Formats: sequence, structure tokens, C-alpha cells
Amino acid sequence: GIQVEQSPPDLILQEGANSTLRCNFSDSVNNLQWFHQNPWGQLINLFYIPSGTKQNGRLSATTVATERYSLLYISSSQTTDSGVYFCAVGGYSTLTFGKGTMLLVSP
Amino acid sequence: DTGVSQNPRHKITKRGQNVTFRCDPISEHNRLYWYRQTLGQGPEFLTYFQNEAQLEKSRLLSDRFSAERPKGSFSTLEIQRTEQGDSAMYLCASSSNRGRTNEKLFFGSGTQLSVL
Repeated sequence: GIQVEQSPPDLILQEGANSTLRCNFSDSVNNLQWFHQNPWGQLINLFYIPSGTKQNGRLSATTVATERYSLLYISSSQTTDSGVYFCAVGGYSTLTFGKGTMLLVSP
Repeated sequence: DTGVSQNPRHKITKRGQNVTFRCDPISEHNRLYWYRQTLGQGPEFLTYFQNEAQLEKSRLLSDRFSAERPKGSFSTLEIQRTEQGDSAMYLCASSSNRGRTNEKLFFGSGTQLSVL
């Protein structure tokens, strides 16, 4: 099956800093989504982005499908951004998740 | 729209017992998914439905696991003869897919299963 690798595995930031999270995948996909799992375990969908660039407030994402990677940018980080960020990829049915990047934003 | 609802939130059971979880998807969504998540890992796909039809099951899914979506609305996931290795968070998600398009996947809060 498709392999999904996320980096870095862990990240610690001071509030206000910027960060870039990366997702590499092993095969062509037509579905790629980014999720944030908050400290209470709820998974929140951030982006549906199989290709191109999208922005939502302080978050933006870029997927270069031909090179099989996606990037999630977090600007001016806040403590509420803490949690685990997952990349999930797939076709027209199921999604395969990476192991995530655990982000801790300290005040 | 109240989002994806799952119950119970927590379930503690003894090894060998059967358990059943329920998921109510977002009302207009035609696809419903079950995932399982253990500590430090991403969600792992178990099975999914399009309307009432179960279209795919993970090869890793034991025969002790069964899921239904009888009228294309809510779904149940049953685990028979539970084992300690079944302890995990069971997540339900839904999406609206029309033809060969994809849309965002929305997750419920999950059911945390502990098998003693």
C-alpha cells in the first residue's frame, strides 16, 4: 500500500514562531487532506488539497503532486495550535494516514 | 448540522465480551468510515460504506469485527470476543462523495475501548 512519511516527528516552538511540516508519499494520489488532532483527541480537518495551494488564516498548505509531497505552513503560532498534525492520502475511497507531527507551542 | 456523533465515549469491557459502538454521520453525507487509532499512531482504516453498501474492508480486520449501515444513515461496529489488543480509540468519519470526486472527511470524537 501507499506509504506516508511526515517530518519532523516532534516540534517545539515559542508562541509567535513560524513552522513548516512536510508530508511525503510513495505513489500518485488524488486525495490529500491535513488534520489537526487537539490535546482532547478531536480530529479537525484543515485542508483538502490534492494539488495546488490553499490558505486559511494563519495556516496554508501546498501540494506538489508530481513530486509526491505536501507542506503545511503555520505562521505566528499560538498555544492553541498544539497537538498532532496528520497528513492523509489516497484515491477515491480510503485515506492512509501518516504517523503525524507532534507540535508543542509554549507561551 | 451537529457533526459526526459517536457513542459511547468510553467503554470498558472484560476480555471475551462483545461490544457495539454507534456512529451517526453528518446527515447529508453518503460515505461513512471506521478507523482505529492507538497511542502514538495515525488512524488506521477499518472499513467504509457508501450509502448502505459496505464497499471496502481492511485486510487487517479480524473476522471478529463486523459493521453495518442498515439504512444508509447511522452505523454500528461490533467486536465479538474482545481481546486486549482491541484496546484503542475507534473513530467514525463521514464525507460526501459524488461520482469520482472527493470532499473533506469529518471525524467524530471517537469511542475509547479498554479491554481488561
